[in-house]
Amino acid sequence: EPEVTQTPSHQVTQMGQEVILRCVPISNHLYFYWYRQILGQKVEFLVSFYNNEISEKSEIFDDQFSVERPDGSNFTLKIRSTKLEDSAMYFCASRGTGGYGNEQFFGPGTRLTVL
Amino acid sequence: AQSVTQPDIHITVSEGASLELRCNYSYGATPYLFWYVQSPGQGLQLLLKYFSGDTLVQGIKGFEAEFKRSQSSFNLRKPSVHWSDAAEYFCAVVSSGGYNKLIFGAGTRLAVHP
Repeated sequence: EPEVTQTPSHQVTQMGQEVILRCVPISNHLYFYWYRQILGQKVEFLVSFYNNEISEKSEIFDDQFSVERPDGSNFTLKIRSTKLEDSAMYFCASRGTGGYGNEQFFGPGTRLTVL
Repeated sequence: AQSVTQPDIHITVSEGASLELRCNYSYGATPYLFWYVQSPGQGLQLLLKYFSGDTLVQGIKGFEAEFKRSQSSFNLRKPSVHWSDAAEYFCAVVSSGGYNKLIFGAGTRLAVHP
């Protein structure tokens, strides 16, 4: 069964460093998302990506964040200069065509720890 | 603005007992509602979804949920819980407009006693 994969499963970094979180969505999907979950809090939407551009982003997704689909299979989230408050679980999701009700498939997440 | 409330942060049930996890939503039109489950170290797996039609929807692993518009609720139920159901459960609604982003509740952590 096709699945979304994410690497690494756990990333530890120093404050101010750049990190890149990687995701491989399901191959025939067209819509891609990043969500994050700070420990003990709810899952929050960060950004959606369609047709090689950002389609929607949340207030969290400021200039320190960027997304890219560099090669038609990977989907990356970059944080340019990490802050302590960026420590969270980051989930990638993808969706095929169809309307609002079409399911988003989630990856297992990357736990980012900023020291 | 759309929102989802899961009033129970933590629920403990005995194996074999019935289960109901509560979810209330705030949404102007007919909502698209989902329940996801997250086992430790795993991603979010879809249990079931509601778009329209029959208000009682069946999902995987023996779960069902009932949409009640008058109560703005979409509660998840299971008649007999198994130890493997211990996990965190998230209710979510699709945001109107935009590109289908999900708005999640805070989650309910389910513990199952043997």
